[in-house]
Amino acid sequence: AQSVTQPDIHITVSEGASLELRCNYSYGATPYLFWYVQSPGQGLQLLLKYFSGDTLVQGIKGFEAEFKRSQSSFNLRKPSVHWSDAAEYFCAVGVGDKLVFGAGTILRVKS
Amino acid sequence: NAGVTQTPKFRVLKTGQSMTLLCAQDMNHEYMYWYRQDPGMGLRLIHYSVGEGTTAKGEVPDGYNVSRLKKQNFLLGLESAAPSQTSVYFCASKGVGAITNYGYTFGSGTRLTVV
Repeated sequence: AQSVTQPDIHITVSEGASLELRCNYSYGATPYLFWYVQSPGQGLQLLLKYFSGDTLVQGIKGFEAEFKRSQSSFNLRKPSVHWSDAAEYFCAVGVGDKLVFGAGTILRVKS
Repeated sequence: NAGVTQTPKFRVLKTGQSMTLLCAQDMNHEYMYWYRQDPGMGLRLIHYSVGEGTTAKGEVPDGYNVSRLKKQNFLLGLESAAPSQTSVYFCASKGVGAITNYGYTFGSGTRLTVV
């Protein structure tokens, strides 16, 4: 069955430090991959998506993600984290007409 | 342009009560979805619909029913609520077309507590 694994439940980084959130997927065909962010008490906002082509994808709010087929990974990165980035981040894979989500990673930012 | 609207936003039910959550979208999207979100489990698909009059089971359908009588509305029903159904429920919709339009629009969620 298709699945998405986010190995880190919680991550704490200092403001201004770099960030990498890990995502691994299990899916036989070429995946459609997404990263969403959810602030406390809010809905989901799309950060970026990958369908094909350039494996480095730029998103909103200064985020980027790199698709690595050989590692079945789609890790999210940001060079310098801001306090406002504290939120929960979800990786998801498009399977047919459905989205399958990972369990999420909660990001805490230290000032 | 409202996008996806969920009502109500909050609800407290007693065990055994029934209720219906409404999802409405104004984007003429064919596909609509109901997810539940629980701590440490991400979002899990309950039911979905690929068009007016159609419904299909997702990953966690037990205890829920759905209906898609109109294209713009997708209803999620709980016939006899249980504490295990305490969760945040999200509705989403998606249009059809070029694969690069593979975008989902999410509602703001309904927080349901069953006591």
